[in-house]
Amino acid sequence: NAGVMQNPRHLVRRRGQEARLRCSPMKGHSHVYWYRQLPEEGLKFMVYLQKENIIDESGMPKERFSAEFPKEGPSILRIQQVVRGDSAAYFCASSPTMGQGETQYFGPGTRLLVL
Amino acid sequence: GESVGLHLPTLSVQEGDNSIINCAYSNSASDYFIWYKQESGKGPQFIIDIRSNMDKRQGQRVTVLLNKTVKHLSLQIAATQPGDSAVYFCAEPGSSNTGKLIFGQGTTLQVKP
Repeated sequence: NAGVMQNPRHLVRRRGQEARLRCSPMKGHSHVYWYRQLPEEGLKFMVYLQKENIIDESGMPKERFSAEFPKEGPSILRIQQVVRGDSAAYFCASSPTMGQGETQYFGPGTRLLVL
Repeated sequence: GESVGLHLPTLSVQEGDNSIINCAYSNSASDYFIWYKQESGKGPQFIIDIRSNMDKRQGQRVTVLLNKTVKHLSLQIAATQPGDSAVYFCAEPGSSNTGKLIFGQGTTLQVKP
C-alpha cells in the first residue's frame, strides 16, 4: 500500500533553469496539495488541485510557478527560471476527499537546491 | 491574518519523561486541528487530530488537549523515547473550506538518553 510518492528526492538547478517536481498521490486519492518549507520554518501552502482542476492557488507565487494534475499521471509543480530563493523542500500531500477534517498524507518531499 | 504559533522552538527532555508541546492559534472559528511529526529528511507524518467539539483525544502514548477559550492546543507524549526526536507541527485549516492547512513554525523535540 504505497504512500504518497515524490520524485526526484533531490534536485539541483542553476539559476535560470526549470525545475519539475512530481507527485503521485496515494491510491484512491484524487486531491493533491503542494507545500513549501524553507529551512527552519513550517510548511506553507501553495496550491490545491483535483484531477484536471486547480481549486485553490492562493499560495502560489504570481510568476514562474505553475501546477497541474492531469487526468493520467502525477501532479507536477513547475518552477521556471529558478532563483536562489526557490531553494526549499517541496512537499506534496494527498487526501481522498476535499475539505476540513480530511487527513492529508505527505510524501517525502523534493529538496530543491538552486546554485 | 490567520496564524498558528508554537510557544517554544526547542524542547529537551530525558528519555522516559513526558513531553508537552504547545501551540496557539488565532482563528476562533477553527474547528479541526492536527499534529504532525517530521523527522529529519522526511515528510510530515500524521500523529493525531482533534475536532473543536472535543477537548481531549488520546492515541497511543499521545494525547491532544484543546482549550478553545484561550485558543491553545497541546500535544502530550508519554514516556518519551529516542524515536520521538523530531520537529512537531500543529496545523489547522483556517478559514478555508478547501482543507489547505496552516502550519505553525514547529517545535524541535530532543530526547536525551
